[in-house]
Amino acid sequence: KAGVTQTPRYLIKTRGQQVTLSCSPISGHRSVSWYQQTPGQGLQFLFEYFSETQRNKGNFPGRFSGRQFSNSRSEMNVSTLELGDSALYLCASSVGQGVYNEQFFGPGTRLTVL
Amino acid sequence: SQQGEEDPQALSIQEGENATMNCSYKTSINNLQWYRQNSGRGLVHLILIRSNEREKHSGRLRVTLDTSKKSSSLLITASRAADTASYFCATDDNDMRFGAGTRLTVKP
Repeated sequence: KAGVTQTPRYLIKTRGQQVTLSCSPISGHRSVSWYQQTPGQGLQFLFEYFSETQRNKGNFPGRFSGRQFSNSRSEMNVSTLELGDSALYLCASSVGQGVYNEQFFGPGTRLTVL
Repeated sequence: SQQGEEDPQALSIQEGENATMNCSYKTSINNLQWYRQNSGRGLVHLILIRSNEREKHSGRLRVTLDTSKKSSSLLITASRAADTASYFCATDDNDMRFGAGTRLTVKP
C-alpha cells in the first residue's frame, strides 16, 4: 500500500501570499488530519476531516482552512501568509477518526515565508 | 496548547541500555499514543494504549499508563543507534495534542 503523500515537499512564499497544500491519504482511509510543526510550538493540531466533513479544529486563525474531497484527498489553504507561518505542515490519515486510531503521517511540506 | 508533556526533554544513552521517557497530561483521556520522529522516516506511530489498559508491549517497547496520576511511560529496551529520534506522546482530548517530545540519542 502506498503511504501518505504530500505535495509539494518544499515551498517558498512571501508575506501576504496564499498557499495550498495537498495530501493524499492511504487508500481506504477516510480521515485526514493536518498539523503544523515549528521548533518553538512543536506539533500543533490544525484540523481533521472525515468523510468530507471537518470534525475537529485546533486553535488557529481563520486564515487556515481546509477541505476534503470525495476520494478522501485533502487540501489546506493558508491565506495572507505571515512570517510565523513558516513551518513543516504534516498531514496524517487514519481509518477512522484520528484521535482513536493509529495515524499514518506523510513526509510533510516545508513552507518558508519570506 | 499542549496536552502531553514529555520528560526528560533530552536523553543520551549508550547502545544496549534501556531508555525511559515519561509523559504527563492534564485532562481525562480515552487513549494515549506514542510516536517517533526522525529525519529519515518522519513521524511514525509506535503504540496506542487505551484508558482501561495499564500496560502494553510491542517488540522492545513497553508502555504503561497510570490514569490516576495522568501519566504514561515509554520504555525502550536494549536500545540501538537507530532508536535515535524524538519521541512524542499524544492524547485524544477531542483532538490530538502532542507534547514537546523527548530527544533520545543512542550512542554506538
